[in-house]
Amino acid sequence: DGGITQSPKYLFRKEGQNVTLSCEQNLNHDAMYWYRQDPGQGLRLIYYSQIVNDFQKGDIAEGYSVSREKKESFPLTVTSAQKNPTAFYLCASNPGNYGYTFGSGTRLTVV
Amino acid sequence: QKEVEQDPGPLSVPEGAIVSLNCTYSNSAFQYFMWYRQYSRKGPELLMYTYSSGNKEDGRFTAQVDKSSKYISLFIRDSQPSDSATYLCAMRNTGFQKLVFGTGTRLLVSP
Repeated sequence: DGGITQSPKYLFRKEGQNVTLSCEQNLNHDAMYWYRQDPGQGLRLIYYSQIVNDFQKGDIAEGYSVSREKKESFPLTVTSAQKNPTAFYLCASNPGNYGYTFGSGTRLTVV
Repeated sequence: QKEVEQDPGPLSVPEGAIVSLNCTYSNSAFQYFMWYRQYSRKGPELLMYTYSSGNKEDGRFTAQVDKSSKYISLFIRDSQPSDSATYLCAMRNTGFQKLVFGTGTRLLVSP
């Protein structure tokens, strides 16, 4: 079945540590996105990529980094510069002229 | 002022009720309108996708767009406990792929 796979489902980060969230899609979609979801704030765009080897900052990119070396993969690194990383992270893809398909999310907690 | 406004709820209704969920927006350039359903700790799933003004029906769900009032609605007929979830509206410009999301309305349908 086609879809988006995010891993891990739960992730714990210590202070000062970088962590990487995985996002893989087999939908052959060009565009991919990372969102952060916090209670009462809806979805906020972190980074997006419309083509391999190219990506743009979203509304809240500080403290995050991404890469897009393959069409299928769009990993997100939460760096130690992100001061409040505890949140639910969602990856999505888009075929170009339709709504997004979302993954099942990764819940990141700082311990 | 946010670009998309959505009442966070919760909205509590008895099973079988007709539910009305709404969003208002400020950007008159929005042309594509979507509704997503999100269960707790899951990724959003696309429910309805509409272009410009008008109505679209799919089973128990009807999406309505009034561009003159900058107002969109989702109606759920014969609501079921399984409809209990958070409903997110989303919209975008023509040819511009980034979606702008509402904060979501939490719906509770009691048996």
